[in-house]
Amino acid sequence: AQSVTQPDIHITVSEGASLELRCNYSYGATPYLFWYVQSPGQGLQLLLKYFSGDTLVQGIKGFEAEFKRSQSSFNLRKPSVHWSDAAEYFCAVGGNNNDMRFGAGTRLTVKP
Amino acid sequence: KAGVTQTPRYLIKTRGQQVTLSCSPISGHRSVSWYQQTPGQGLQFLFEYFSETQRNKGNFPGRFSGRQFSNSRSEMNVSTLELGDSALYLCASSLETGNSPLHFGNGTRLTVT
Repeated sequence: AQSVTQPDIHITVSEGASLELRCNYSYGATPYLFWYVQSPGQGLQLLLKYFSGDTLVQGIKGFEAEFKRSQSSFNLRKPSVHWSDAAEYFCAVGGNNNDMRFGAGTRLTVKP
Repeated sequence: KAGVTQTPRYLIKTRGQQVTLSCSPISGHRSVSWYQQTPGQGLQFLFEYFSETQRNKGNFPGRFSGRQFSNSRSEMNVSTLELGDSALYLCASSLETGNSPLHFGNGTRLTVT
């Protein structure tokens, strides 16, 4: 089965600084990759997805992610973080086996 | 279009009791997945239903069960509750899993005392 590793449990960045959240996946075939964001007390909201094609994908709220097959990575980036971006971020991998697996999440704190 | 609706939002139960959680997917979505979210274990996949059939199941004991109705609504049942079952239970729907994004509800917060 597929699996996802998010090495960073908690990251703190200053407002206006750039952000990169790391994600590594394990899957034997071509993965379907996703990033979700969760605010306290809420469900998860899709930020972006990668299925195939261009390895740099754009999402909502100014986020982007780059798929690197050689590194089995799908890191999430944002050039300038806003205070409202403080939340928990989850990387996920889906396959053809009808379940989606999530990483442990990275909690983002934004300093004023 | 209405999002995924989960009821109730909060539940408090006692050890040994059973509980049923409900999920109404987005209209037109035929796949419903359930996840358990806890601080220690993160998001753990419980099971996925499509057209009333369970297609995949995670590594949870048989106390956790589910079903899906012909209108795609789904229920999840946990019997003989244990303290460790305290968690946020999230339901998500999609047109199809694998390459289709999941759309999540806001969850049901279950507390077992």
